[in-house]
Amino acid sequence: KQEVTQIPAALSVPEGENLVLNCSFTDSAIYNLQWFRQDPGKGLTSLLLIQSSQREQTSGRLNASLDKSSGRSTLYIAASQPGDSATYLCAAYKGGSEKLVFGKGTKLTVNP
Amino acid sequence: GAVVSQHPSRVICKSGTSVKIECRSLDFQATTMFWYRQFPKQSLMLMATSNEGSKATYEQGVEKDKFLINHASLTLSTLTVTSAHPEDSSFYICSATTLGGTEAFFGQGTRLTVV
Repeated sequence: KQEVTQIPAALSVPEGENLVLNCSFTDSAIYNLQWFRQDPGKGLTSLLLIQSSQREQTSGRLNASLDKSSGRSTLYIAASQPGDSATYLCAAYKGGSEKLVFGKGTKLTVNP
Repeated sequence: GAVVSQHPSRVICKSGTSVKIECRSLDFQATTMFWYRQFPKQSLMLMATSNEGSKATYEQGVEKDKFLINHASLTLSTLTVTSAHPEDSSFYICSATTLGGTEAFFGQGTRLTVV
């Protein structure tokens, strides 16, 4: 059974700081791993999708890495801004399935 | 990216009534749609997988007679919460995958409050 864990549960940083969010999964036979952003009371916005054959993906100030052997993924946010404040969720696709297994998320607060 | 529209965004209903939530893929055909439920400060929990033209597959512990799912076309899936009770109050989110299922796109979510 795939389980996804995110650490820390909450993080507060000053504006401009670089930060790393962590995600670990128990079953390394994942298909893909996806990072999402969720604003309060809103749906999910897809940030980055890393396919199982890839090691990282980049989009603007965001960089996500995937290490299947250790069961870990990280989301790196450079030069954080107050607008980055949100909950960040990682989710792993169960092997052989289209189903996503989500972590509980990391609530990020970037203080001006 | 692909767009998934979910409606309504917020609904308040009386206990005992039924509520229908729509999930539409606007610019792509979604052979598979998923329905999730999210409790406060918790992660998303998959409720059911909806395939166009066939019966939905429910996750363990989800009452299929309470949460009716219809996937009538390649762009529309509906979730009907029947005989709603206050404990059904939650945030419901749908998602759809593109052909091949390599990436999931999510709707805006529906906040259901049963009074």
